[in-house]
Amino acid sequence: QKEVEQDPGPLSVPEGAIVSLNCTYSNSAFQYFMWYRQYSRKGPELLMYTYSSGNKEDGRFTAQVDKSSKYISLFIRDSQPSDSATYLCAAGDYKLSFGAGTTVTVRA
Amino acid sequence: DTGVSQDPRHKITKRGQNVTFRCDPISEHNRLYWYRQTLGQGPEFLTYFQNEAQLEKSRLLSDRFSAERPKGSFSTLEIQRTEQGDSAMYLCASSSGQGLHGYTFGSGTRLTVV
Repeated sequence: QKEVEQDPGPLSVPEGAIVSLNCTYSNSAFQYFMWYRQYSRKGPELLMYTYSSGNKEDGRFTAQVDKSSKYISLFIRDSQPSDSATYLCAAGDYKLSFGAGTTVTVRA
Repeated sequence: DTGVSQDPRHKITKRGQNVTFRCDPISEHNRLYWYRQTLGQGPEFLTYFQNEAQLEKSRLLSDRFSAERPKGSFSTLEIQRTEQGDSAMYLCASSSGQGLHGYTFGSGTRLTVV
């Protein structure tokens, strides 16, 4: 079993919708939680970084971590076609374990 | 400094050949990581360095793989006697070592073994 499991996609939403992405993790020692965005044939780009539990907001993006349930979420409000990409969740301590990614398409 | 640089961007090689990739981390970052990513999967950890010391190697890193980071600056990843199963994107990341703050990936080297 992988240390980080990510809800499989793909996900297709209309422009302006809220995108909800979810992951679970198994290692209770994990303290750092990230969300990356990856375009085809490119390296992952860091979107959100959270230490321990709680919420973090950055513009249209909100990351949530619930350590009691080992649950990681990313919400994208007012989604735009430019948000179309693969989103990767990751968790770790000194190194990261990644989910398999969810491909999101925002339809204009 | 504009981020983590990886070279080459693409490499096509014949099975059995050796290949070497280079990673230049963000200059003030003392930690450097190598990951491998196959199609439809997230990156998988291979190995990491703190300064010039290689502190951990994944079981994914067979004896055909070797990584170095001389002088704690750039790093190289060599694959000997390549196999078709080595075809993947090889990603390098660096961080400052203060938690995982600033954990930044390069654009990767895409390896195709034919």
